[in-house]
Amino acid sequence: KAGVTQTPRYLIKTRGQQVTLSCSPISGHRSVSWYQQTPGQGLQFLFEYFSETQRNKGNFPGRFSGRQFSNSRSEMNVSTLELGDSALYLCASSSPGLAQETQYFGPGTRLLVL
Amino acid sequence: AQKVTQAQTEISVVEKEDVTLDCVYETRDTTYYLFWYKQPPSGELVFLIRRNSFDEQNEISGRYSWNFQKSTSSFNFTITASQVVDSAVYFCAQYDSSYKLIFGSGTRLLVRP
Repeated sequence: KAGVTQTPRYLIKTRGQQVTLSCSPISGHRSVSWYQQTPGQGLQFLFEYFSETQRNKGNFPGRFSGRQFSNSRSEMNVSTLELGDSALYLCASSSPGLAQETQYFGPGTRLLVL
Repeated sequence: AQKVTQAQTEISVVEKEDVTLDCVYETRDTTYYLFWYKQPPSGELVFLIRRNSFDEQNEISGRYSWNFQKSTSSFNFTITASQVVDSAVYFCAQYDSSYKLIFGSGTRLLVRP
């Protein structure tokens, strides 16, 4: 079974731009969560989508948004990029239904904001 | 609120040594879920193990073993006969009440040949 895939793997943007990251979950998984990893703040939860609905949200500004499509693929968008948005963005998927299922992570997208 | 503490920032060992990574968790829930993930230099978080609070059995998987102690709120991870390929950052995590993963700060393990 193929794992979680994320595209692109690397991205360089400048301040003020916006960016869209994509995540394809493991086949059959319907929940997708996004995390941000920075050296200073560690791993922090951004949001979770299940059946095209945001089920959970972390403590991030409104510049961070996401969505999920009917095939469970998810995108996250960051508008008006700031230098502090430079991070590794990780996507995780879990099997359908129960929220306490194990999350399996993708390889991440490394975003550098200049 | 849930919290996970990994007090060891970095550990360096020589190949074939045994090494234990510590994890202390805090929760007021009676049912909770604990995890260990490995993050190699490539960046992907690799799932290693999950432990539910109602399952107190310790687990061994090859060279890896986990010691779950409710009395001390610890979920420690031991690598026996470490190898260079074990070099990575290891994260302990637990679900909060809304099933978001709360991660510890991670322990960087360096296994020297």
